[in-house]
Formats: sequence, C-alpha cells, structure tokens
Amino acid sequence: AQKITQTQPGMFVQEKEAVTLDCTYDTSDPSYGLFWYKQPSSGEMIFLIYQGSYDQQNATEGRYSLNFQKARKSANLVISASQLGDSAMYFCAMREGPNGNQFYFGTGTSLTVIP
Amino acid sequence: DTEVTQTPKHLVMGMTNKKSLKCEQHMGHRAMYWYKQKAKKPPELMFVYSYEKLSINESVPSRFSPECPNSSLLNLHLHALQPEDSALYLCASSHSTGLAYEQYFGPGTRLTVT
Repeated sequence: AQKITQTQPGMFVQEKEAVTLDCTYDTSDPSYGLFWYKQPSSGEMIFLIYQGSYDQQNATEGRYSLNFQKARKSANLVISASQLGDSAMYFCAMREGPNGNQFYFGTGTSLTVIP
Repeated sequence: DTEVTQTPKHLVMGMTNKKSLKCEQHMGHRAMYWYKQKAKKPPELMFVYSYEKLSINESVPSRFSPECPNSSLLNLHLHALQPEDSALYLCASSHSTGLAYEQYFGPGTRLTVT
C-alpha cells in the first residue's frame, strides 16, 4: 500500500486565490511527522511546513497552512494568496519508525499559478 | 547558514568511469541523506547516515558507495554505472533522524551516464 497518496497530478490556480493540495497517508504508528516540500523547476527541494501526529493545532507558516485531519489520515496543504512564484511541484512526505529513519514521499502535485 | 551545497552541479560520465559526488553542510546536523530522483517522480531514498554511521541502505546496487568522512561531509562514489542511473542526485541533512526534524536539501547533481 502507498504510504503517501497525492491524487492531484496537476492543479491550476488564479493568482491571489487560495488553493488546496491533497495528501492522505497510511501508517499504524501513533508517532509520525508530516511534511510538505516545494520543488521548483530548478530542482532544489524547499521545506514548507511540518505537522506532528500529536499536534492539536493545524500548522501554519506564513501563507502556508496544513489542514490536519488525523481520523481521516489527511494532511492537505493550503496556500493562500497564490503568487506566480508558487508554480512548482509540491510533495507531501511522512517520517515514521522508531528512529525516524523511514521517510516517504508522495508522487507530487504540479501547481501552476495563472496570472 | 541553512545551506546544503553539492558539487558538481552537472556530471556526465561513461559506464567505465569512477566519479564522486560531494555534499557539505555546516548547520551542525547529525543526519545526512542521499536521494535519487528521476524526472517527474518523487525522490527515492538511497542512504541515511546518522552520527556518521550508515543507518539505512535501501537496497542500492553496490556501484553506488556512500562515505561520511565527518559530520559535515557526505560523498557518493560512483563506479560502473548504467544509463538508467542517470538522474538528479539530491543530498539532504537534518538535525537528527527524529520524527520532527525537517530535511534541508541541496540543489542536486544532474548525472548523465553515457
């Protein structure tokens, strides 16, 4: 079974609008960490936001927020006020395991921001 | 300084060559990682070093040989590669391998095997 599922291969959003990128995960561990990364066409992976499995509040970092629904095992990324520079590939990832050594990426969502 | 550097940026090598990829970080991180990424695919974890010891080897062929000379440096030695090994090789580091620690990635080395 896939550990991380991103069902939207491609998304389009109008500049200044908000967009939600979906992510569901599969784990039986009670402790895990969820991450979102952005990868522009240049190739570098940029860390955006982190949510711990025991965190009660949804994580926020500037224009990024994570909509964490633990019972549904979903960790959607919300980008508010989209900018042209947000056009990139977005990967959801999970860290689990007794030493946190197991790290899984989803297949990614390609976001295009339209002027 | 939250930078992970990788050299070279691009590398073209023949199937009989031996080359090395280099990765460096000065954030005091004790975990370092090598990933392989094919076009339009997610990164695939290859190796994890924790406190300079190899802790994860994800069934990578022996033609890839990692080395961690010290806590700031990570090398990937390449020998007798195949054309299908052509990919973007990403290095990353994190404070440790704890669950809450995000990874910081370098810009990658684009490898072409001819």
